[in-house]
Amino acid sequence: DTAVSQTPKYLVTQMGNDKSIKCEQNLGHDTMYWYKQDSKKFLKIMFSYNNKELIINETVPNRFSPKSPDKAHLNLHINSLELGDSAVYFCASSPLDGVGQAYTFGSGTRLTVV
Amino acid sequence: AQSVTQLGSHVSVSEGALVLLRCNYSSSVPPYLFWYVQYPNQGLQLLLKYTTGATLVKGINGFEAEFKKSETSFHLTKPSAHMSDAAEYFCAVSGSSASKIIFGSGTRLSIRP
Repeated sequence: DTAVSQTPKYLVTQMGNDKSIKCEQNLGHDTMYWYKQDSKKFLKIMFSYNNKELIINETVPNRFSPKSPDKAHLNLHINSLELGDSAVYFCASSPLDGVGQAYTFGSGTRLTVV
Repeated sequence: AQSVTQLGSHVSVSEGALVLLRCNYSSSVPPYLFWYVQYPNQGLQLLLKYTTGATLVKGINGFEAEFKKSETSFHLTKPSAHMSDAAEYFCAVSGSSASKIIFGSGTRLSIRP
């Protein structure tokens, strides 16, 4: 039973489209995250939610909008996709408020914008 | 603010040799330190973490790391490399006042037969 699951695993879409990536965790964790990994493997945090509340919002274009319907789910919606959005997006979760906690990662969503 | 520097984007060792992956951190508060491993086309898996207490931390798959405050380092070691250790390794840091983990740029570990 997968702890942090993301769908879809692969997403190929054209520039200008709108797409969503879904994430669910069954660990009972309170905090969830979205990270972006670029082609050079660099990982950068995008957003963090604690119990459905946004607590971290890094400098990310406002075309990216996270939504957390409950503490087990954190979805990422991207409007007007651009070539530079191509990357692997990882969802993660951690217990409590995340301070000092290790994260459990999903297996990633590889987004390719053509 | 926290940051992490991983020295060497690519390390290659022979099977059975010592693995040493270097990580230096910068933190204005006592740090929490982590090592994660990423196998091809997979997510990140926690190898080990340092919070407080014993400075030598043992992790999974025979890896360990030592927190050296005076050197601001948290290097990862394994006495004897296996072919299955070939992967990307990330050092990471977080602080006591923020829940986000900051990752280093990663080190790709290759194992020669």
